[in-house]
Amino acid sequence: GIQVEQSPPDLILQEGANSTLRCNFSDSVNNLQWFHQNPWGQLINLFYIPSGTKQNGRLSATTVATERYSLLYISSSQTTDSGVYFCAVPKAGGTSYGKLTFGQGTILTVHP
Amino acid sequence: NAGVTQTPKFQVLKTGQSMTLQCAQDMNHNSMYWYRQDPGMGLRLIYYSASEGTTDKGEVPNGYNVSRLNKREFSLRLESAAPSQTSVYFCASSEIGRAYQPQHFGDGTRLSIL
Repeated sequence: GIQVEQSPPDLILQEGANSTLRCNFSDSVNNLQWFHQNPWGQLINLFYIPSGTKQNGRLSATTVATERYSLLYISSSQTTDSGVYFCAVPKAGGTSYGKLTFGQGTILTVHP
Repeated sequence: NAGVTQTPKFQVLKTGQSMTLQCAQDMNHNSMYWYRQDPGMGLRLIYYSASEGTTDKGEVPNGYNVSRLNKREFSLRLESAAPSQTSVYFCASSEIGRAYQPQHFGDGTRLSIL
């Protein structure tokens, strides 16, 4: 099956710093999603970004499908950005939109 | 609008006991999912239901059974719990059949098997 690797595994920032999280995947995909899991364990959809660039406030994401990677940018980080960031892609097959394979996540800690 | 509701939130079982985790969604979604999350391993799909009346195995189905009771409810059953099933279990739902619909997650069930 498809492999998803995220880097770095851990990231510690001072409030106000910028950061870039990376997601590499082993096969072509038509669907890539970024999720944030907050310190209380809740999972929130951030982006659906199969290709190109999207922005939502201080967060933006870019996927280069031909090179099989996606980047999540966090600017002017805040303590509320802390948590685990996951990328996820569908398993192989055209009807597999729902069958997601998750990366192992990047644990982000933002200190005040 | 509650979204996806999971019960219970916490549970401790002894090895060999059985248990059913409940999940209900009020967004009229066709598809529902069960994942488990273990430390350092991200989320892994256990079972998936594309629509009412259908279920399909995910990545780690062994030791689990599911029931899609109706469009709203999708339950996960552990018939004989094992310590390896200690995990956090998430239920999710989404639409399907369109280009993309996001998955909405419940708050999780933290399950410990002693």
